[in-house]
Amino acid sequence: SAVISQKPSRDICQRGTSLTIQCQVDSQVTMMFWYRQQPGQSLTLIATANQGSEATYESGFVIDKFPISRPNLTFSTLTVSNMSPEDSSIYLCSVEERLPGYNEQFFGPGTRLTVL
Amino acid sequence: GDSVTQMEGPVTLSEEAFLTINCTYTATGYPSLFWYVQYPGEGLQLLLKATKADDKGSNKGFEATYRKETTSFHLEKGSVQVSDSAVYFCALSPYNQGGKLIFGQGTELSVKP
Repeated sequence: SAVISQKPSRDICQRGTSLTIQCQVDSQVTMMFWYRQQPGQSLTLIATANQGSEATYESGFVIDKFPISRPNLTFSTLTVSNMSPEDSSIYLCSVEERLPGYNEQFFGPGTRLTVL
Repeated sequence: GDSVTQMEGPVTLSEEAFLTINCTYTATGYPSLFWYVQYPGEGLQLLLKATKADDKGSNKGFEATYRKETTSFHLEKGSVQVSDSAVYFCALSPYNQGGKLIFGQGTELSVKP
């Protein structure tokens, strides 16, 4: 199974600033996803990031606020821009691996962001 | 759009009690269904899955059956342990939408000795 690391693991930021979160996978994967988990709530997909193409954003999320890079098959970044306290969440990346007979998603440990 | 609804928590049980966490879904086509678990201080991990109607997923004593007629995927375990204390998420992956997951709101389970 894929092993995923994220940096930073947590951060406290001031409103109006931006933070870039890195996601590194130990194997080459085609599909990577970025999710947000707001306090006490479920996970919501922000965007799908495939190597070599523009990220696809879900309803309610825009590229200007959450720009994503996917320079190769093992790495992606998510930037949270012009932050406000409402952006305080855990941000998780995940990857999809094709296993015999099915596809499985593996999740990173998450980045806990607090915006003051 | 597609959605997942879970029973609200927190759920508190005594060790060896029977567990049911209800999950229903709304989807077009034939989604795949999953239960994910998040243990305290750990990342999200897949517990079990079912990819078509009447499939039963099972792992670590947990089971869930994909019921298309009732659009449900309830999680069950016959005898819970303290180590099962975690947050459980029901999720679906819509058919032919590139692997995205739609999660329910999560159910926190606390098992007391």
